Amino acid sequence: AQSVTQLGSHVSVSEGALVLLRCNYSSSVPPYLFWYVQYPNQGLQLLLKYTSAATLVKGINGFEAEFKKSETSFHLTKPSAHMSDAAEYFCAVRDYTGGFKTIFGAGTRLFVKA
Amino acid sequence: DAGVTQSPTHLIKTRGQHVTLRCSPISGHKSVSWYQQVLGQGPQFIFQYYEKEERGRGNFPDRFSARQFPNYSSELNVNALLLGDSALYLCASSIQGRNTDTQYFGPGTRLTVL
Repeated sequence: AQSVTQLGSHVSVSEGALVLLRCNYSSSVPPYLFWYVQYPNQGLQLLLKYTSAATLVKGINGFEAEFKKSETSFHLTKPSAHMSDAAEYFCAVRDYTGGFKTIFGAGTRLFVKA
Repeated sequence: DAGVTQSPTHLIKTRGQHVTLRCSPISGHKSVSWYQQVLGQGPQFIFQYYEKEERGRGNFPDRFSARQFPNYSSELNVNALLLGDSALYLCASSIQGRNTDTQYFGPGTRLTVL
């Protein structure tokens, strides 16, 4: 079965600093991986997805993620944090068993300090 | 184009009651999935429907049921509500429910059980 683990429930960075949110996956087959962002009292918005094409995936709002099979990782980065990036971020993997389902990590809350 | 819509936005119920949540997918999308997001956790998969048939079910009790209508909208029903059912219920739609398809999430319905 597929699963994801997000390292760090909270991450705090200063405005303008590098954002790094960590995600490791477990999958017995080539995975389809996703990063979603959730702002307070809102649904989930897709940031980017990996579907076995390029290993470096560029998403919206300046975010990108690199798929590293050797490390089973799919970390999310942004070179320069903005106050508007403060939100909850979820790493997710598509599960092939029992229908079309997405398995989410527990989430990482990103705080951005002025 | 309108995104995924859900109704109601919020509702409050008491233990033992029944609730129906509604979802309208993006126009042209034939697959609808339901997720439960308890406060502080990632979303958990409940159901997936495609072309009005159930294609996947998560690890939820039989008190949870759903259906999809000919116009591809969907309802999630929960009977005999428990306090632990308090959560944000998210609906997501995709074109066909293939593994590489992107899921688009609605804003959710916030259910509070007292």
